Amino acid sequence: QSVLTQPPSVSGAPGQRVTISCTGSSYNIGAGYDVHWYQQLPGTAPKLLIFGNNNRPSGVPDRFSGSKSGTSASLAINGLQAEDEADYYCQSYDNSLSGHVVFGGGTKLTVV
Amino acid sequence: EVQLEESGGGLVQPGGSLRLSCASSGFAFGEYGMSWFRQAPGKGLEWVGFIRSRAHGGTPEYAASVKGRFTISRDDSKSITYLQMYSLTTEDTAIFYCVKMPYGTYRGFNWFDPWGQGTLVTVSS
Repeated sequence: QSVLTQPPSVSGAPGQRVTISCTGSSYNIGAGYDVHWYQQLPGTAPKLLIFGNNNRPSGVPDRFSGSKSGTSASLAINGLQAEDEADYYCQSYDNSLSGHVVFGGGTKLTVV
Repeated sequence: EVQLEESGGGLVQPGGSLRLSCASSGFAFGEYGMSWFRQAPGKGLEWVGFIRSRAHGGTPEYAASVKGRFTISRDDSKSITYLQMYSLTTEDTAIFYCVKMPYGTYRGFNWFDPWGQGTLVTVSS
């Protein structure tokens, strides 16, 4: 069981907006630690999508955005495209665990 | 361009050992911490451990699930990170990824980027 909780799956039609939630606790997101998001396309390695809650690395389209509030964070994807179909993971820091690196269980985005 | 290339994966019997390597290029390797992650078939991402840069002591940290069985080391002269794995079980079957850290050590706001392409470790009799 993952420390951060994500919905197993979400779906949307091309052009729509979808959001993926990431729920933590007072030991991680609620303690003020940053949330980062990774996109994993089928058969490939994860790629950093959002860092520091709402920052996009160079090359990531501005259709992707992140936010954080309280003990939760969200990834929003506007103008959904077929190539966005992937697994998405949130990651943060947990001050109650050895090593501190924690992930959500991942969300499979299906573009229908 | 930062490049990370893992190698050393393969089939190993339960109880066996394996050493993975991660060759890095495109950045000042010695200045950065390096981390290992894994992903079991059809499962999510799991942090395995990281090693700090020499300036930060060059010491490793491990996830509870591998502590005492896995050892991370680095050779700054060759820009290579190693993951030595002992007492492997079927639960260790996964793709192992090498990832660069943005700083010499792990800090509370750290993200991990970029990721290598991964190497598959299969533990089976």
